[in-house]
Amino acid sequence: TQLLEQSPQFLSIQEGENLTVYCNSSSVFSSLQWYRQEPGEGPVLLVTVVTGGEVKKLKRLTFQFGDARKDSSLHITAAQPGDTGLYLCAPPWGTGNQFYFGTGTSLTVIP
Amino acid sequence: DVKVTQSSRYLVKRTGEKVFLECVQDMDHENMFWYRQDPGLGLRLIYFSYDVKMKEKGDIPEGYSVSREKKERFSLILESASTNQTSMYLCASSPDRGPYTEAFFGQGTRLTVV
Repeated sequence: TQLLEQSPQFLSIQEGENLTVYCNSSSVFSSLQWYRQEPGEGPVLLVTVVTGGEVKKLKRLTFQFGDARKDSSLHITAAQPGDTGLYLCAPPWGTGNQFYFGTGTSLTVIP
Repeated sequence: DVKVTQSSRYLVKRTGEKVFLECVQDMDHENMFWYRQDPGLGLRLIYFSYDVKMKEKGDIPEGYSVSREKKERFSLILESASTNQTSMYLCASSPDRGPYTEAFFGQGTRLTVV
């Protein structure tokens, strides 16, 4: 099992605030994905980052892959209640033979 | 659209019962997974299957078994349900093993063992 630690574990913010959540590991990955899980639903893929230092933007969400490809961050600008959910990172198939996920960050955006 | 369907959204079973959780995917994916989701613990892999009749243990296989007799269907079996198996169970599938491979999830089955 590759340990993927996400921080913070819980985050509650007001609508309009900015936030950053993190995904850290001691392992090097060929790629990293971010998923969002809304209440009562399964996780859905948001983005895949592949190159060290890569930055991808998805509307108000900015994803960055660390230079050493061991960590990633997700920054949300002007958070909205629709951003509420559990954010999970995952290296597709990792360096092992299985599909693992991080511990998750539960985000609540208060109107 | 890829669809992964889990047979039940909510399930209540008694301690000691044999429980079957069913998952079907409609995209001919090779790989299928069963995860357990508990607050603060993220998604923990129970078992996965990379082909019909093939399976591998994940991190927490104890108390569970799986069956994959057809490519589209992957079943999770709790041989004798216990209260510590009360949890959300998520099934997923993925087509291959590349760096861009996406996992497609079902909506989950919330199992309560009383």
